[in-house]
Amino acid sequence: GQSLEQPSEVTAVEGAIVQINCTYQTSGFYGLSWYQQHDGGAPTFLSYNALDGLEETGRFSSFLSRSDSYGYLLLQELQMKDSASYFCAANYGGSQGNLIFGKGTKLSVKP
Amino acid sequence: DAGVIQSPRHEVTEMGQEVTLRCKPISGHDYLFWYRQTMMRGLELLIYFNNNVPIDDSGMPEDRFSAKMPNASFSTLKIQPSEPRDSAVYFCASSPGVAGGPSSYNEQFFGPGTRLTVL
Repeated sequence: GQSLEQPSEVTAVEGAIVQINCTYQTSGFYGLSWYQQHDGGAPTFLSYNALDGLEETGRFSSFLSRSDSYGYLLLQELQMKDSASYFCAANYGGSQGNLIFGKGTKLSVKP
Repeated sequence: DAGVIQSPRHEVTEMGQEVTLRCKPISGHDYLFWYRQTMMRGLELLIYFNNNVPIDDSGMPEDRFSAKMPNASFSTLKIQPSEPRDSAVYFCASSPGVAGGPSSYNEQFFGPGTRLTVL
């Protein structure tokens, strides 16, 4: 079945830039989303890419390369509150439904 | 809008008991999703509905699990009988469901989750 690969943990310091990579299986792929989840909280949507290229939303940007079956989330000017888990999630077979999540990357931001 | 509402927030039950989790999606959202999250398996899609109709239940682990959506504002996930391995956080999410081409808007709005412990 479809699966996504992303690093399990990343550590960075305040003010730095961090990139979280995600690779996915191509068959039936429709688009890639990113979600943030703080400990004890619910996932919250950050971004969605269906086309190649970079989508920018404030300090966060997301990139997709369909030819490489690869995407990343870029977090700039890191703040302590960015410490959370970040999940990439791929749509297979249509614009809705069948959303497969990666196992998540736990980001720790240190002072 | 209050967002997606789930109840109960916490449930502790004994093996063999029936458990019912409830969800009220955001008004006007056409899609509703049930997820389960554990440390071992991560976030898994169990089932999703479009306009109250179940579309894909291939993620439902076994016959002990069932889900219904009797109307646009309410859904339930039932486990009968429950087992310790069902212990997890269960999330409900809804989406406006803008269908279409590659630039479709895709955000899912998650509820706060129900933390289920089966002893």
